[in-house]
Amino acid sequence: DGGITQSPKYLFRKEGQNVTLSCEQNLNHDAMYWYRQDPGQGLRLIYYSQIVNDFQKGDIAEGYSVSREKKESFPLTVTSAQKNPTAFYLCASSSDRRIDSNYGYTFGSGTRLTVV
Amino acid sequence: EDKVVQSPLSLVVHEGDTVTLNCSYEVTNFRSLLWYKQEKKAPTFLFMLTSSGIEKKSGRLSSILDKKELFSILNITATQTGDSAVYLCAVGIAGGTSYGKLTFGQGTILTVHP
Repeated sequence: DGGITQSPKYLFRKEGQNVTLSCEQNLNHDAMYWYRQDPGQGLRLIYYSQIVNDFQKGDIAEGYSVSREKKESFPLTVTSAQKNPTAFYLCASSSDRRIDSNYGYTFGSGTRLTVV
Repeated sequence: EDKVVQSPLSLVVHEGDTVTLNCSYEVTNFRSLLWYKQEKKAPTFLFMLTSSGIEKKSGRLSSILDKKELFSILNITATQTGDSAVYLCAVGIAGGTSYGKLTFGQGTILTVHP
């Protein structure tokens, strides 16, 4: 079955460390997205990519970095510059740069990052 | 700045009640509005709305969009405990490098008691 795989599901990080969250999709979707979710704040866009080797900052990109070397993969690095990284991170993908289909986005199951 | 606002932020009801969740938006280049249900992890898709006044229905859930007044509602009739979740509203933007980007509201936390 096609889908999006995020790993790990839970991640603990010491202050000052960089960590990388994995996101892989086998849906042949062009576009991929990273969102952060904090309690009571909905989802906020960190970065998105519409094609390979290209990506744009979202609303809260500071302290994060991404790469898109392959269509299937869009890893997110949470750097030590991110002051409050504890959150739930969701990866998503959509097809043809458009969301004019009834299924909208496809989301991964998320990674819960905790800074200890 | 694009903005999506949901209300209420939380709602507690009893089984059998009917609830209405609200979503208002201010965005440039509106393309579509989507509703999601989120229980523990990934949001699951409910509806996508692009045209005003056309109700979409799925079982006990229904939704409608008003593009003139810039809002949408999600109705759930005869609520069940399994409806307890966070309901997310998101707006899709058209054009330029924002194509395909969704802006989400804060979500409404619905709790249904037996």
